[in-house]
Amino acid sequence: QSVLTQPPSVSAAPGQRVTISCSGGGSNIGNNNVSWYQQLPGTAPKLLIYDNSQRPSGIPDRFSGSKSGTSATLGITGLQTGDEADYYCGTWDSNLRGVFGSGTTVTVL
Amino acid sequence: QLQLQESGSGLVKPSQTLSLTCSVSGGSISSSVSHSWTWIRQPPGKGLEWIGYIYHTGNSYYNPSLDSRLTISIDTSKNQFSLKLRSVTAADTAVYYCARGGTSDWFDPWGQGTLVTVSP
Repeated sequence: QSVLTQPPSVSAAPGQRVTISCSGGGSNIGNNNVSWYQQLPGTAPKLLIYDNSQRPSGIPDRFSGSKSGTSATLGITGLQTGDEADYYCGTWDSNLRGVFGSGTTVTVL
Repeated sequence: QLQLQESGSGLVKPSQTLSLTCSVSGGSISSSVSHSWTWIRQPPGKGLEWIGYIYHTGNSYYNPSLDSRLTISIDTSKNQFSLKLRSVTAADTAVYYCARGGTSDWFDPWGQGTLVTVSP
């Protein structure tokens, strides 16, 4: 049972926009920064967003992040077939541990 | 650029100790004073689980659910850090990743991961 809750799956047509929610509580998202990871099939996760909304070098601006209260959201615009992957949110929890979301599978219709 | 590579036994018997090493290249563990060196695992078909991390000083933080069985160590002379998980069971079967941790607990880059199977 993950501490952070994400929808199991989201889908949209190419070129459309999807959003993925990550819901937590005051002990984690409410008091810490959130990061997002993309895991393509059979590969290691890759950092997409850090500090709630910052993109590492090389990550296109089609990917965006935001945080409000105890929830965070990842947005993907201009959806491409190459975006089909699992996406995870992550943060720190006051129980002195790192926590990840349950993961969301993005499907391009 | 910084690269991480996991190595170790891919098959461990129940009740024995799982041992993995992460070799870091393209940068020095010692010079990354604000970064942590992290282990994360992913059971087959499941999500990510944070195992723990260590700083170049040797200070470490563990997942409370694994604390009693876990040791993470660091060897700055070899630019490596390691994980030992004792008394393993089938529930410890997973792909184990090492990664560098950022100042606000983001993780980048990641190693390619290594599958460890616990089986007689």
